[in-house]
Amino acid sequence: EAQVTQNPRYLITVTGKKLTVTCSQNMNHEYMSWYRQDPGLGLRQIYYSMNVEVTDKGDVPEGYKVSRKEKRNFPLILESPSPNQTSLYFCASSSPSTGTAYGYTFGSGTRLTVV
Amino acid sequence: DAKTTQPNSMESNEEEPVHLPCNHSTISGTDYIHWYRQLPSQGPEYVIHGLTSNVNNRMASLAIAEDRKSSTLILHRATLRDAAVYYCILRSLNYGGSQGNLIFGKGTKLSVKP
Repeated sequence: EAQVTQNPRYLITVTGKKLTVTCSQNMNHEYMSWYRQDPGLGLRQIYYSMNVEVTDKGDVPEGYKVSRKEKRNFPLILESPSPNQTSLYFCASSSPSTGTAYGYTFGSGTRLTVV
Repeated sequence: DAKTTQPNSMESNEEEPVHLPCNHSTISGTDYIHWYRQLPSQGPEYVIHGLTSNVNNRMASLAIAEDRKSSTLILHRATLRDAAVYYCILRSLNYGGSQGNLIFGKGTKLSVKP
């Protein structure tokens, strides 16, 4: 089944403790992206990647890092999490073709709480 | 970035058609019109996209105005499972850099009454 898999689904952590949220897709998509969703602010893009070793900042990149060493994986790294990074996170992937694959496929989300 | 305007909320009765409007008066010739929906407690889900012609798939139909400045997502028979936030988004055909990104607005919250 074509899918984007995020782990973990739920995470509670303490301020300053480094964490990584993993994202993997099995559709051979070039394009991957991370979003966060907060009440009243909607979905905002954190980082995106056009392909392996190509990443760029989205609208709210502060406090986050990403890497794209392999096509299928796009981990989101919080080196020193703070309470304002408590949010619902989504990973997504897409292909540059203009067919059906041009639509984004989203993961099920990771609910992160930083205390 | 080209922007879209959607009503904040709409209501529908179950098993009736639903027409969700979207205005995008500043759309460029290379922008595709994408629709996504987000069910409660789930990630956004791709619904449909189009460029100039009307499009149909198993989930919905997309009607695009001749001048491309507006579009309508049509759910032919709403079910309770269609209650969600529906997002109309423009995505550039020019894939380079940030132009291929999906920038989400507030969307339309659709309620379906039994």
